[in-house]
Amino acid sequence: QIQLVQSGAEVKKPGASVKVSCEASGYIFTNYYMHWVRQAPGQGLEWMGMINPSGGSTSYAQRIQGRVTMTRDTSTRTVYMELSSLRSEDTAVYYCARVGTGGSRTEYFDYWGQGTLVTVSS
Amino acid sequence: QSVLTQPPSVSGAPGQRVTISCAGSSSNIGAGSDVNWYQQLPGTAPKLLIYGNINRPSGVPDRFSGSKSGTSASLAINGLQAEDEAEYYCQSYDSLTGLFVFGSGTTVTVL
Repeated sequence: QIQLVQSGAEVKKPGASVKVSCEASGYIFTNYYMHWVRQAPGQGLEWMGMINPSGGSTSYAQRIQGRVTMTRDTSTRTVYMELSSLRSEDTAVYYCARVGTGGSRTEYFDYWGQGTLVTVSS
Repeated sequence: QSVLTQPPSVSGAPGQRVTISCAGSSSNIGAGSDVNWYQQLPGTAPKLLIYGNINRPSGVPDRFSGSKSGTSASLAINGLQAEDEAEYYCQSYDSLTGLFVFGSGTTVTVL
């Protein structure tokens, strides 16, 4: 079955960086774009960006561009999201989400990781 | 502030029908972008409920249905059940900003 398994919770100080991983299984890794979505405590969902696991091309939300880097390792079927210059407002649960295919003119997310809580605190 | 506007909460008795609206604009839903819906139970990741405005993934009960008209979309839950208590989010694409956008979220309460 299709699974996205993320790395564990992190606690970071302001100004530090964090790197979250998302290991995919159960499907052809390079055939599906992967997106990252975050959710601050008690808040809604915020799209962060996406990566094409095949060629590695990326697209980021302008709000965090310059601080975020998404990469992938095809040998381990893993995508990574690194966020730098962390601030308290970056405290959130970070999700990886696979893009579904067919049936919609707008990309949708058919499988999600379990989420990784990143806490930024001094 | 979300680009897509949803009511903060809706409620209904078991067996009733409730609807959740998702209001967008001419740069997203009105521009032809489809709408997708997700259900999020407390402490869990979102789950795809509806894609392409009206389509249900396998395993999603047919009590859930979606529609789209103009610059807005709706999710309907027929025959409300206790297990439907959750947060619901709409999602689309905004061509003006180049962002994938989510609604503000709606809490469904079963009375």
